[in-house]
Amino acid sequence: GNSVTQMEGPVTLSEEAFLTINCTYTATGYPSLFWYVQYPGEGLQLLLKATKADDKGSNKGFEATYRKETTSFHLEKGSVQVSDSAVYFCALSQGGSEKLVFGKGTKLTVNP
Amino acid sequence: DAGITQSPRHKVTETGTPVTLRCHQTENHRYMYWYRQDPGHGLRLIHYSYGVKDTDKGEVSDGYSVSRSKTEDFLLTLESATSSQTSVYFCAISESRVTAYEQYFGPGTRLTVT
Repeated sequence: GNSVTQMEGPVTLSEEAFLTINCTYTATGYPSLFWYVQYPGEGLQLLLKATKADDKGSNKGFEATYRKETTSFHLEKGSVQVSDSAVYFCALSQGGSEKLVFGKGTKLTVNP
Repeated sequence: DAGITQSPRHKVTETGTPVTLRCHQTENHRYMYWYRQDPGHGLRLIHYSYGVKDTDKGEVSDGYSVSRSKTEDFLLTLESATSSQTSVYFCAISESRVTAYEQYFGPGTRLTVT
């Protein structure tokens, strides 16, 4: 079946550090891929998405590239801020299914 | 922000009592979902709906029922609450295959069963 694997957290960085959160997936065909962010006490928010191979999603300085050959969708940001502290979820939707499959989430803490 | 509200936002109830959580949307999206979020488990799908009166089970549906009598409302009922149902519950909506079923989430309901 379809699945998403994220790197184990928590991740702790200093402000202005480079961020990578790894995400790999297992799916047949060509799923759409998403990153969601959840700030403390809130619901999940869509951060970015990519719907086909080699697409790059970007938003708020975050980027992720859909790599079909490595079945990956790693999240990156060049310089993190304290306000980026949150839990990040990778997810996929498989064509023909209206359900998303989520990874378990990676907690990021950015210290000043 | 997508127009999704959940009520109540917080609830404490006793074991064995019925509980109903409400999700309301103003986006006219076809699909609605209920998830629970627990430490170590991430998000788990309870039930979802693909139209008025059309619902289906998710991966953790035991002990829960849902109803959708109008496009904008999706109710989650715990018929007889148990302590294992203490969790944070999120509602989500999505539009269609055109948007790759990207989902938008409500603010959540924190339920404590004592």
